[in-house]
Amino acid sequence: AAGVIQSPRHLIKEKRETATLKCYPIPRHDTVYWYQQGPGQDPQFLISFYEKMQSDKGSIPDRFSAQQFSDYHSELNMSSLELGDSALYFCASSQRRLAGLRSYEQYFGPGTRLTVT
Amino acid sequence: SQQGEEDPQALSIQEGENATMNCSYKTSINNLQWYRQNSGRGLVHLILIRSNEREKHSGRLRVTLDTSKKSSSLLITASRAADTASYFCATAPNRDDKIIFGKGTRLHILP
Repeated sequence: AAGVIQSPRHLIKEKRETATLKCYPIPRHDTVYWYQQGPGQDPQFLISFYEKMQSDKGSIPDRFSAQQFSDYHSELNMSSLELGDSALYFCASSQRRLAGLRSYEQYFGPGTRLTVT
Repeated sequence: SQQGEEDPQALSIQEGENATMNCSYKTSINNLQWYRQNSGRGLVHLILIRSNEREKHSGRLRVTLDTSKKSSSLLITASRAADTASYFCATAPNRDDKIIFGKGTRLHILP
């Protein structure tokens, strides 16, 4: 079965550079979530999109922005990178529109490991 | 503030034994999920239990939920070396909400 695809899998950037992470949800999934997991930390919610509109926002720095495109893939743009941005970035997808009364299970991608030097 | 707190933070047991991990949370939830993460890798969804459910099984996994105590437990029976990983509970306040993760339990299965 198709899973969530994230690219790139690894990324090394220098301080003050920009980075773009991409997420391709499971086919027919309409909702995308972004999470950040620092070293030894639990994943923290950043932002989510449903049907190409931002649906919820967490602890996402102003230097970060994200969007969901017409094909439902999403991109997380990170500018003025700081050392503290080094983390594993997960994307998850779920299907809300056809879920009915069921809870929306989120399926996670393998993550993008960002290292800022 | 952190929604989920796991207990214990780390657990080492012999292969073949049962492992129990607990999770407590603070606010009302629609569902609670358990995830496994091998060192620095992706999150694998294990099981979801809804707020109106009390127990759920999946293979060697058994999850209980006590909404009156705002707690859940994950039992892994007949542990194997491959079960060595970090286990996170995650809660969803509403069914379409972001997931709020706890700090995780590091489980180490000794040969």
